[in-house]
Amino acid sequence: NAGVTQTPKFQVLKTGQSMTLQCAQDMNHEYMSWYRQDPGMGLRLIHYSVGAGITDQGEVPNGYNVSRSTTEDFPLRLLSAAPSQTSVYFCASSYKTRGGYNEQFFGPGTRLTVL
Amino acid sequence: QQPVQSPQAVILREGEDAVINCSSSKALYSVHWYRQKHGEAPVFLMILLKGGEQKGHEKISASFNEKKQQSSLYLTASQLSYSGTYFCGTEEGGSEKLVFGKGTKLTVNP
Repeated sequence: NAGVTQTPKFQVLKTGQSMTLQCAQDMNHEYMSWYRQDPGMGLRLIHYSVGAGITDQGEVPNGYNVSRSTTEDFPLRLLSAAPSQTSVYFCASSYKTRGGYNEQFFGPGTRLTVL
Repeated sequence: QQPVQSPQAVILREGEDAVINCSSSKALYSVHWYRQKHGEAPVFLMILLKGGEQKGHEKISASFNEKKQQSSLYLTASQLSYSGTYFCGTEEGGSEKLVFGKGTKLTVNP
């Protein structure tokens, strides 16, 4: 199993450009999420999905779109990049049992710089 | 709403103990703990569930006070490898979201 994969690892954009951060998992997890990590701010939830076709907003959704057409993939789209979106982005996946969410498996992260 | 972690940073000598706290203003269904080394992704340590069940590493201990919406992570006889940033994540009752705190940076010196 590859676990959670993210591409690209690094990306530099100019203000106003668009791009998609890719995330894929091969563990058949129904729950997937995107976090951004900035110094001193911890991990902030951008969007999450509880299954194919179902997405919802997290704490900091503005400027980002997501879709979940398959269980495996959960891409994050930046429609018009801004310098404030410079950050490290982590994708995570998990599953639920009777007792709630289990271990979150994180991808290796994408380091994005917007000039 | 992000849970609140305290302290923000801790510096220890090898062999010393530390406690990291996590609190929320909402009723919690579960609390997760993760450790992140510099430049790496967070790694799972433990989950504490409402009702008392725990899942995680045997060498890590933690508590979950459901009434106070608080959790504490206990690091005993610290080793150099314990250094990193510790995050708590909370799953609120009735919510599908897992929200993380700002982290506690732990430094263990020889």
